[in-house]
Amino acid sequence: SQTIHQWPATLVQPVGSPLSLECTVEGTSNPNLYWYRQAAGRGLQLLFYSVGIGQISSEVPQNLSASRPQDRQFILSSKKLLLSDSGFYLCAWSLSGRYEQYFGPGTRLTVT
Amino acid sequence: AQSVSQHNHHVILSEAASLELGCNYSYGGTVNLFWYVQYPGQHLQLLLKYFSGDPLVKGIKGFEAEFIKSKFSFNLRKPSVQWSDTAEYFCAVIYSGAGSYQLTFGKGTKLSVIP
Repeated sequence: SQTIHQWPATLVQPVGSPLSLECTVEGTSNPNLYWYRQAAGRGLQLLFYSVGIGQISSEVPQNLSASRPQDRQFILSSKKLLLSDSGFYLCAWSLSGRYEQYFGPGTRLTVT
Repeated sequence: AQSVSQHNHHVILSEAASLELGCNYSYGGTVNLFWYVQYPGQHLQLLLKYFSGDPLVKGIKGFEAEFIKSKFSFNLRKPSVQWSDTAEYFCAVIYSGAGSYQLTFGKGTKLSVIP
């Protein structure tokens, strides 16, 4: 069966510091991968998605970037964090051609 | 822009009460609809999904949802809730079409079940 991992689970970073969040999927090949941000009372917002290695699409212009260096690895990065980057970041995957998405445990990011 | 509205922010029920959580989506063509649930301290899980066919879909743990196309609605129901159903519930939609990947979520409804 497929599993999705995210780390770290929680992170506290100062304003202006870099960020790297990692997501890996096991048990499937060539999945579509997604990064979402969940803000309290605002639902989930799609940030990036990827349909293959090196293929990244951005849904929201912002201080963040994403990369997919390997088939089942998806990384969310920032060179300089802002206070507004605080939130709960979720990685998700779906089978290619399928609509349903499956979510990881998330990373709680607090920028101080 | 595509949007999903969930009518209730917080619902409080006693055990054995019936549940109905409202969800409406904006028109945008052929839709695929989902309900996700997030139990306290756990990750977001797929509860049920609708793509086509019978508009009444059944999911895990006794939940069901009905797709009413004319009302752009996909309400979640359960005849008798349990304390373990305490969680946050999210309705989501994705529109069919080439390159369509974005799940649009509602803001969520927090359900508290009192024993």
